[in-house]
Parts: sequence; structure tokens; C-alpha cells
Amino acid sequence: AQSVTQPDIHITVSEGASLELRCNYSYGATPYLFWYVQSPGQGLQLLLKYFSGDTLVQGIKGFEAEFKRSQSSFNLRKPSVHWSDAAEYFCAVGRGSGGYQKVTFGTGTKLQVIP
Amino acid sequence: NAGVTQTPKFQVLKTGQSMTLQCAQDMNHNSMYWYRQDPGMGLRLIYYSASEGTTDKGEVPNGYNVSRLNKREFSLRLESAAPSQTSVYFCASSEGGRANTEAFFGQGTRLTVV
Repeated sequence: AQSVTQPDIHITVSEGASLELRCNYSYGATPYLFWYVQSPGQGLQLLLKYFSGDTLVQGIKGFEAEFKRSQSSFNLRKPSVHWSDAAEYFCAVGRGSGGYQKVTFGTGTKLQVIP
Repeated sequence: NAGVTQTPKFQVLKTGQSMTLQCAQDMNHNSMYWYRQDPGMGLRLIYYSASEGTTDKGEVPNGYNVSRLNKREFSLRLESAAPSQTSVYFCASSEGGRANTEAFFGQGTRLTVV
């Protein structure tokens, strides 16, 4: 069965600092990988996704993620964090067939940005 | 440009009461989903509807029922609410078929059962 681990429950960074959120997955084949962001009181919004091809994926709001098959990781990065990036971030893994009901979400990492 | 709309946004129920959470999408998506979000547990799938006229259980279906009323609407019903159902509920939709399509989420319903 597929699974996702986000080892950091809570991360605090200073505004302007770089950010890396960790995500490790378990899946038998090439996974479909996602990062979603949830701002306070809002639903989830897709930041980026990886299905195949270039292992460095660019997303919205200046985020990027790198797929590393050897490490079973899909870490999210941003060079310079803005106060508006404070939110909860979810990594998710799925497989191609069967639709979105086969997507498993991680437990989330809450990001706090301090001035 | 509404996307996925959920009603209500907040609800307090007494144990044993029933209620229906409403969800509608205007993107002509085939598939719709209900999730619950609990602290430290991420999102867990309650029920889904892969296409109009079909519904299936997800990871945590006990205590819930769903209705896919038409292509736009997918409702979640709690027949006899329990405190364990206190959670934030999200409806989502996607084009369906394969997981490489983005899922769009509503803003959530915060439900408290006392």
C-alpha cells in the first residue's frame, strides 16, 4: 500500500529565508506526486505535481520540488519565504489508474513565518 | 468562477442529530469526493463518486452516507452524529479517470458534535 510521510509537523522560518519541506513516500512503481497548500480557513490548492519527465518541477507562488527516486523523496523548496506563505502544506502520492480516490495525503507540515 | 462550493461553513450538532453537508461544483467534473481532516491525520477519504450515478466507500465511511444528486452535486449525510465526527469536512472534484488531474477543493465545513 502507498503511504506518505511528512516528518516535520511544524516549521518556523524567518521571512526572506529559504524553505525546504520534506516528503517521503512509499510506492511500488513510479508515483504521481503532489504538493498542496492550505491557507487558514481555506481549502487545499495545488502547488505543483510530478508525473514523469524532468525531476525538478516548478509550481505556483515560486515553489519547486525535486523528485528523487533513490531517496523516495519529493521535497518542496522556496528560495525566499514571504509572510503570505504561512500555511499548512500537504504532500500526496497516487497512482495513475483509478482516479483521485487512489491519492493518499500526508499529515501536513504547518509553516510559520516570522518577521 | 466559483469552483467547489460547500454549505454550511460551520455547524454545531448535538449527539444523535442528523444533517446533510452540501457540495456543488461548476467545472463539469466527473468525479467528486468527501474528505475529513483531523489534526495530525491529514485528509482521509470518506466517500467518492467516480461518475454521476456511482458512489463508493473510501477509507473512513462508517457513520456517513452520500448522494450524487446529479453531475454537479454530491452531498454527505450524517444520520446520527457522534462526537467522533467532529472534524473539518472537505468536498473536492476532479475530471476523473486518472490521478494526474488536479483535484479542486471547497473551503470546508467545520462541524462540531457536542
